Amino acid sequence: DSGVTQTPKHLITATGQRVTLRCSPRSGDLSVYWYQQSLDQGLQFLIHYYNGEERAKGNILERFSAQQFPDLHSELNLSSLELGDSALYFCASSVTFRSWELFFGEGSRLTVL
Amino acid sequence: AQRVTQPEKLLSVFKGAPVELKCNYSYSGSPELFWYVQYSRQRLQLLLRHISRESIKGFTADLNKGETSFHLKKPFAQEEDSAMYYCALIAGNTGKLIFGQGTTLQVKP
Repeated sequence: DSGVTQTPKHLITATGQRVTLRCSPRSGDLSVYWYQQSLDQGLQFLIHYYNGEERAKGNILERFSAQQFPDLHSELNLSSLELGDSALYFCASSVTFRSWELFFGEGSRLTVL
Repeated sequence: AQRVTQPEKLLSVFKGAPVELKCNYSYSGSPELFWYVQYSRQRLQLLLRHISRESIKGFTADLNKGETSFHLKKPFAQEEDSAMYYCALIAGNTGKLIFGQGTTLQVKP
């Protein structure tokens, strides 16, 4: 499958812990986006990377950080987890930063207990 | 601040009825607007963009700058149109694609 791949698909952890979500973009795509989808919320934009550099930042908490590596995969780090961080985290990729046809992964479902 | 509002969480219609999914936006500049769709057990995907002025799967959407709206319309709904629909906005050159909260369209037989 040459689409966007996200791991893990499901993750259950406790408050105060730290997790890392991983995203591999489509082959050839240089832009990676992260979104959070909580219960009753739409897709909240977190951050956008293009070719390894941060391109735009949304309402991303200071406890969250992300990066895009030279091989273009991206990781979203969530620390000091709270119950409210439980959500579906989507990664999407696109060819360039001006190509707004985003290709989404299946998401990583995080449950904080 | 840029914002996209989809006032209906759920829209239920019968097959063959017209459909209009509402989307309003808040942005002072010239927006680029999109509709994304997520069918059951599939990934979120682009349906159409306003600059293309295209019709995809019978759906069209017209940008109305006066009313700051970008409603999605289809004259005759089909059962396979049942899905979650998201309106999205690009604000200038910010690199941010902002989504609304989504509307679930349910087409009943």
